[in-house]
Amino acid sequence: NAGVTQTPKFRVLKTGQSMTLLCAQDMNHEYMYWYRQDPGMGLRLIHYSVGEGTTAKGEVPDGYNVSRLKKQNFLLGLESAAPSQTSVYFCASRVSGHLTSDTQYFGPGTRLTVL
Amino acid sequence: EDQVTQSPEALRLQEGESSSLNCSYTVSGLRGLFWYRQDPGKGPEFLFTLYSAGEEKEKERLKATLTKKESFLHITAPKPEDSATYLCAVQAASNTGKLIFGQGTTLQVKP
Repeated sequence: NAGVTQTPKFRVLKTGQSMTLLCAQDMNHEYMYWYRQDPGMGLRLIHYSVGEGTTAKGEVPDGYNVSRLKKQNFLLGLESAAPSQTSVYFCASRVSGHLTSDTQYFGPGTRLTVL
Repeated sequence: EDQVTQSPEALRLQEGESSSLNCSYTVSGLRGLFWYRQDPGKGPEFLFTLYSAGEEKEKERLKATLTKKESFLHITAPKPEDSATYLCAVQAASNTGKLIFGQGTTLQVKP
């Protein structure tokens, strides 16, 4: 079991370029999440998905798009990168909506720099 | 508005010097409070979930407690390997699982 994996680990973009971050989980989890982590700000939710084919906005969705075409994968896209999107991005997944399975498991992160 | 505040921002301890980290929260209907550990350059690692006031959970030198307004992470006789950033998060009563995180407490334990 690899758990939650993220690709790539590091990336440098120029302003206006686009890219896609990939999150994959092999735990058959229904729920998946994308967060960004900035110094002094804590982890903030960008978008999330409660199942294959579904997506919803989180706290800071502007400038990002997501897709969940397969249950095990959750993609985060930046169509036109801006320096304000320089951050560390984390993906997380969770089993379901049952009370005893609320725990989110996080991936190792992607460090993105936008110049 | 749901909010989580952690204190202190940073804590330096000598090996063996016990202390506590605080997590104060306001949330519309608490479904769960989570503690994570994060090492530099890595993703958060799950430690505990607390669901109701009065609940306590322990793991090695760590003990988490919960009241209606705050949670404490007690560290007993810490070792240098306990050095990390500790994150607190709350989940409101909705079923989407969205977590609201605090800014974290960075703990350094010196030998």
